[in-house]
Amino acid sequence: SQQGEEDPQALSIQEGENATMNCSYKTSINNLQWYRQNSGRGLVHLILIRSNEREKHSGRLRVTLDTSKKSSSLLITASRAADTASYFCATPQGGSEKLVFGKGTKLTVNP
Amino acid sequence: DTAVSQTPKYLVTQMGNDKSIKCEQNLGHDTMYWYKQDSKKFLKIMFSYNNKELIINETVPNRFSPKSPDKAHLNLHINSLELGDSAVYFCASSQGLVGTDTQYFGPGTRLTVL
Repeated sequence: SQQGEEDPQALSIQEGENATMNCSYKTSINNLQWYRQNSGRGLVHLILIRSNEREKHSGRLRVTLDTSKKSSSLLITASRAADTASYFCATPQGGSEKLVFGKGTKLTVNP
Repeated sequence: DTAVSQTPKYLVTQMGNDKSIKCEQNLGHDTMYWYKQDSKKFLKIMFSYNNKELIINETVPNRFSPKSPDKAHLNLHINSLELGDSAVYFCASSQGLVGTDTQYFGPGTRLTVL
């Protein structure tokens, strides 16, 4: 069964604006990961945030994790056209700890 | 140098044929995966190997058979291809256990079954 759900499904903004994507999940986790997928390419890991962390930064990316609400957000500040991609959250699930991906948010940054 | 590579990048074939996709990682990772991404971009794990041992085998038709000759390679063989097998197949690897570590993805193989 699906673990993470991203919201919104699609987001269109102007260059320079900030983009916020949300992810909700169902069961307890020990970490949550965000990945980016450019059109026609494989996924690229962005950030891994552990369950005992509340916020993490990497360059223009900021990820928050609220385990009480079972949700995470990814903020991209000062967006660029090159940020246009689909963004996925992924969480471990089940006894085998397989990584389960959400359906993604398709971000379009208009120049 | 490419970290996770897959061949071929595109594969177009007729229903009923048998085909293979190859994957290699040069990261020295212990764990490798196959994922299937459908037309709606939903990414689902199919198999996972750790040090050549199968550790995850999702509900996948037994027409799909993974093979790991060594921990740097994980190939996927598909028998009797069906229209519904059309998708993009991604190989990935990670150093640690499934779900606890960053995964590195290959560029994908777009399979089209006619």
